[in-house]
Amino acid sequence: NAGVTQTPKFQVLKTGQSMTLQCAQDMNHNSMYWYRQDPGMGLRLIYYSASEGTTDKGEVPNGYNVSRLNKREFSLRLESAAPSQTSVYFCASSGTGLATGELFFGEGSRLTVL
Amino acid sequence: GNSVTQMEGPVTLSEEAFLTINCTYTATGYPSLFWYVQYPGEGLQLLLKATKADDKGSNKGFEATYRKETTSFHLEKGSVQVSDSAVYFCALRSSNTGKLIFGQGTTLQVKP
Repeated sequence: NAGVTQTPKFQVLKTGQSMTLQCAQDMNHNSMYWYRQDPGMGLRLIYYSASEGTTDKGEVPNGYNVSRLNKREFSLRLESAAPSQTSVYFCASSGTGLATGELFFGEGSRLTVL
Repeated sequence: GNSVTQMEGPVTLSEEAFLTINCTYTATGYPSLFWYVQYPGEGLQLLLKATKADDKGSNKGFEATYRKETTSFHLEKGSVQVSDSAVYFCALRSSNTGKLIFGQGTTLQVKP
């Protein structure tokens, strides 16, 4: 039961470098999300995709781009990484958007920007 | 705007102690309320939820009651175990925007 799979699990970048976080779900969910988790701040929504072919900004979209490649995959790209983007990133999916509030999360990707 | 406030942690308890983690919210309309749990090294998973006032959500011995009059959704468990050690997040889903808003999380440590 894979559920939501994120790669890589750990990454260290230098300021200005770019990278893409990959996320795939095998639950046939329509909606997918990217969150960041920072100490004392809970989870904050970066971007979400309510369905294949659509993406929308969340609370903290600046410095990020996303691609909903197909129904299974939703990637998050940092074009020019900054130290403020050091965080743990979580991908999540849900079957009926946020209507039920039940999200299924991946294990997280810990990113450090030096 | 909509927000969720949780008690600061860490909360440290001995096994079989009673647990309360406080959660209060600010929201317009009629939000749904949730508790998520994050075990070490894992992503979050839904623990319980309540969709309207006076509803009680329960799962794995945990309970929380949706109190509209006090805008609260406190998490309780009568007898905690070491395996309950985790970070607990209170969250609300706004009836206006549909978005899920998380509190800052409360770390629970249970000692044998």
